[in-house]
Amino acid sequence: NAGVTQTPKFQVLKTGQSMTLQCAQDMNHNSMYWYRQDPGMGLRLIYYSASEGTTDKGEVPNGYNVSRLNKREFSLRLESAAPSQTSVYFCASSVLQGNTDTQYFGPGTRLTVL
Amino acid sequence: AQSVTQLGSHVSVSEGALVLLRCNYSSSVPPYLFWYVQYPNQGLQLLLKYTSAATLVKGINGFEAEFKKSETSFHLTKPSAHMSDAAEYFCAVRTRAAGNKLTFGGGTRVLVKP
Repeated sequence: NAGVTQTPKFQVLKTGQSMTLQCAQDMNHNSMYWYRQDPGMGLRLIYYSASEGTTDKGEVPNGYNVSRLNKREFSLRLESAAPSQTSVYFCASSVLQGNTDTQYFGPGTRLTVL
Repeated sequence: AQSVTQLGSHVSVSEGALVLLRCNYSSSVPPYLFWYVQYPNQGLQLLLKYTSAATLVKGINGFEAEFKKSETSFHLTKPSAHMSDAAEYFCAVRTRAAGNKLTFGGGTRVLVKP
């Protein structure tokens, strides 16, 4: 059981380049999430997918798009990268345990935009 | 709206001393509360969660947290710090009113001195 996996682990882009961050989970979870982590700001939700076929904006969606390819996979795309998108990106999936969802996180992708 | 405040972005403790990390939340409805730990260059790992059952919650690695509604707090403690506790800790809140989305605090980095 690999849990939540993310690729790539590291990436350096130039301003204006595009890229897609990949996320997959093998826990049969319905919900998946993308966060960004910046120093002193905790994690902020970019987009989430409550179930296969649905996606919704989170707190900081501007400059990003997502695709819920199937139940396992949830990708995050930067169409035209900007230095402000330099961050660590985490994918998570969640399952109902008892009376609340619990989220499980991947190892992260460290992105630098020059 | 829901929010989380973690008092102190950095905490330094001696090995064997009490670890106390403070978390206060703001929510107009009953919350679910979580503590996550992040070791260097890794994703977030769930330490414990409060889901309206017992107010004192025990988690992994000897940590526990107490939900105090009157103080809107969910502080994390460990009686005796170990070198392996050096990490960043995040408090998070979730309510049905916010569409089950997690809101994170800014994080507290713990340094353990020998």
